[in-house]
Amino acid sequence: QSVLTQPPSASGTPGQRVTISCSGSSSNIGSNSVNWFQQLPGTAPKLLIYSNNQRPSGVPDRFSGSKSGTSASLAISGLQSEDEADYYCAAWDDSLNGHWVFGGGTKLTVL
Amino acid sequence: QVQLQQSGPGLVKPSQTLSLTCAISGDSVSSNSAAWNWIRQSPSRGLEWLGRTYYRSKWYNHYAISVKSRITINPDTSKNQFSLQLNSVTPEDTAVYYCVRTGRGGYPDYWGRGTLVTVSS
Repeated sequence: QSVLTQPPSASGTPGQRVTISCSGSSSNIGSNSVNWFQQLPGTAPKLLIYSNNQRPSGVPDRFSGSKSGTSASLAISGLQSEDEADYYCAAWDDSLNGHWVFGGGTKLTVL
Repeated sequence: QVQLQQSGPGLVKPSQTLSLTCAISGDSVSSNSAAWNWIRQSPSRGLEWLGRTYYRSKWYNHYAISVKSRITINPDTSKNQFSLQLNSVTPEDTAVYYCVRTGRGGYPDYWGRGTLVTVSS
């Protein structure tokens, strides 16, 4: 049971806009930044969005993030076949002496 | 560009100790702005943060409560690397283990490639 709640799956057709939600609590998303990761099969998670809405160098601007209260969202516009992957949200949690918490992941399928 | 190179056995017997090492290039384990973490991933537990080591004028270690009694993370400044030891493993510890840097911004930015560790006799 992951601390952050994500839908297990999402889908869209090429060119569409898809959003993935991430719900937490006051001790994690409510008081700290949210980060998003993309994981392709057999590879390590790759940082996609940091500090709620910032993109690392090299990440296309089709990917965007937002946060409001204890929830966050990842949006992917102009969906492409190579976007098919697992997506995870993560945040620092101030409880239990502090620790990183993650969402259970959302499997994105490009139809 | 930071790179993290993991090494260690992929098979550990129950009750024994899991040991992994992460060699760092492009940064220093003694950096005053980074922390060096171990995170694991399994189908049953998802992504789980295990702990970290970091240097801020002195060394600090910080462990997840779920493994606190069994885990040690040590820096090795002579080799610019850090290690994970997890004692008394059970099949529940079977997972892909990642070493991960959290940089100046405080978020996980660089990940090792991962090591699948299976706990089985």
